Amino acid sequence: EVLLVQSGGELVQPGGSLRLSCEASGFTLSNHDMTWVRQAPGKGLEWVANLYKDGRGTFYADSVKGRFTISRDTAKSSLYLQMNNLRVEDTALYYCGRESVGTIGTTAFDFWGQGTLVTVSS
Amino acid sequence: QAGLTQPPSVSKDLGRTATLTCAGNRTNVGNEGAAWLQQHRGHPPKLLSFRNNDRPSGISDRFSASRSGNTASLTITGLQPEDEADYYCSAWDVALTGWLFGGGTRLTVL
Repeated sequence: EVLLVQSGGELVQPGGSLRLSCEASGFTLSNHDMTWVRQAPGKGLEWVANLYKDGRGTFYADSVKGRFTISRDTAKSSLYLQMNNLRVEDTALYYCGRESVGTIGTTAFDFWGQGTLVTVSS
Repeated sequence: QAGLTQPPSVSKDLGRTATLTCAGNRTNVGNEGAAWLQQHRGHPPKLLSFRNNDRPSGISDRFSASRSGNTASLTITGLQPEDEADYYCSAWDVALTGWLFGGGTRLTVL
């Protein structure tokens, strides 16, 4: 069974840092691109970052570029999101997700973590 | 980053058919189509369709996706009470090199 179990969300002051974790089971992390997506309270989904399955290629939304870093530890089967210089507008429920290839070659996020809440406030 | 455009809300009667739309451009939806996700309140999203109408195993055939030019659509037939949820489209944008999400459509089953 594919599972993504998240941890690390908490209340942090503006300008602070936080690291989110996402432990994967039921599949091999290095066989999939992985993602972080966030959802502000009462709002829609916003893509944050992607990590290629090679563990090196990364892509970021403009809103977090230079402040957030996506990474993984394959030995721990875990995905991470290091968030620095946090802003009030980063307050959201953060989801990790697995990207998979469908039967006709296109991709989408097919499994999601339970979400972890990050609140940035003084 | 520019997003994909979805109507904020759609309401349909029980048992009827709903079609949800997602407008993008040639670098995202027009390139490889859009994936569709369903989200019930308080729960993570659930994948309904990969891009270009490729349904994951376990997803009912009442859900079907399609694309015409730069607009993707999700059609839900025989609406059930449990279909009441928020629906999001998503697409990779080759120009922005990033994923985009639509703003979401709240489907109400009357």
